[in-house]
Amino acid sequence: DIQMTQSPSSLSASVGDRVTITCRASQGIRNYLAWFQQKPGKAPKSLIYDASTLQSGVPSHFSGSGSGTDFTLTISSLQPEDFATYYCQQYHLYPYTFGQGTKLEIK
Amino acid sequence: QVQLVQSGAEVEKPGASVKVSCKAAGYSFTSYVIHWLRQAPGQRLEWMGWINADNGDTKYSQKFQGRVTFTRDTSATTAYMELSSLRFEDRAVYYCAKSGIAWLGPDFWGQGTLLSVSS
Repeated sequence: DIQMTQSPSSLSASVGDRVTITCRASQGIRNYLAWFQQKPGKAPKSLIYDASTLQSGVPSHFSGSGSGTDFTLTISSLQPEDFATYYCQQYHLYPYTFGQGTKLEIK
Repeated sequence: QVQLVQSGAEVEKPGASVKVSCKAAGYSFTSYVIHWLRQAPGQRLEWMGWINADNGDTKYSQKFQGRVTFTRDTSATTAYMELSSLRFEDRAVYYCAKSGIAWLGPDFWGQGTLLSVSS
């Protein structure tokens, strides 16, 4: 199975900060990478697919980049509603696999 | 609008089976696949497989092969996930999710169904 590793596992930041979350795949996955946001007690919400394509309705201060094995999710100016846990997921090969998550907390 | 409404929480004994439903509305049910995923407490999300809502084709993660069955009822626009031979470690929130328009991954998710396994 492809292993997905996110860093950091947790992150404290303030409203207005720029933050970057990294996701690394154990082998090349081209651009078959998605990012999800999950708030406590809620289902994950899709933010980005194909590494950099923003889902309809997702604010433009979210962006994704990368290809191959290394990917990033950037939030350019944190908003209060952005504090959540973020997961990357590869869908290049079965089984689809997720990173362990990055918990973004308010500083 | 798109909705995926899952059945309620379940409590089962080890060795039993559970069947979770996922009622779809607001889109063409047979035009997408339905993924099933789970999240154990404090663990990362885990993909279990998908079912093609049109023709019923399935793809299972090898981890669950032989223990999980996906079905669907197109007239009821509902997908089902049955997990058998339950173990304590199957305690998790189970999610269904429809694929996207432009990508085949889990694009829009149901609210989740909590499964507890207790003797």
